[in-house]
Amino acid sequence: GEDVEQSLFLSVREGDSSVINCTYTDSSSTYLYWYKQEPGAGLQLLTYIFSNMDMKQDQRLTVLLNKKDKHLSLRIADTQTGDSAIYFCAESKGSNYQLIWGAGTKLIIKP
Amino acid sequence: NAGVTQTPKFQVLKTGQSMTLQCAQDMNHEYMSWYRQDPGMGLRLIHYSVGAGITDQGEVPNGYNVSRSTTEDFPLRLLSAAPSQTSVYFCASSYRTGTGELFFGEGSRLTVL
Repeated sequence: GEDVEQSLFLSVREGDSSVINCTYTDSSSTYLYWYKQEPGAGLQLLTYIFSNMDMKQDQRLTVLLNKKDKHLSLRIADTQTGDSAIYFCAESKGSNYQLIWGAGTKLIIKP
Repeated sequence: NAGVTQTPKFQVLKTGQSMTLQCAQDMNHEYMSWYRQDPGMGLRLIHYSVGAGITDQGEVPNGYNVSRSTTEDFPLRLLSAAPSQTSVYFCASSYRTGTGELFFGEGSRLTVL
């Protein structure tokens, strides 16, 4: 099975908050990442959090990390149509810090 | 700056044919990598390189070759295409090895009939 798990879809209304969840398995992971993939495009780094942090905020984005439960979440406040994309969670682990990726959560915005 | 450039964007092959996916970056990045993306699955690492002349295998290397003769270029070769290699391929680079801050190309969609 995958080391990093995400729900495949999330549907929210425009203007609401979106919360995308991710669980990972390796408690020794040093960094956890959120990437965004818009239709027909490559992935772009949105934000990341170091494993000794609980929370990181960047404008409309809030990342929460619960190391005990190995749970990572990405909250997008005031969700807009431009936030429609697939969001990937990834953890870095191992001596070569290769990324282990979740399958991605497709965020669908309802008007 | 162009960033990471991949060509071609789309390709259709017949089983058994060979081809090369090109990847070039103009950011003087040390680390380059190739991933494949399949529906319902995360990205899977095929091969990576930590510098010119150095390559290594990732999670799913079978059926693919790479080389890194220059810092800028990292081509991916399919030796004898199979339908299981139908996928979207992404090249990604970073300024140094060991960081997860990757810069991605726009992807190459490959169909093998």
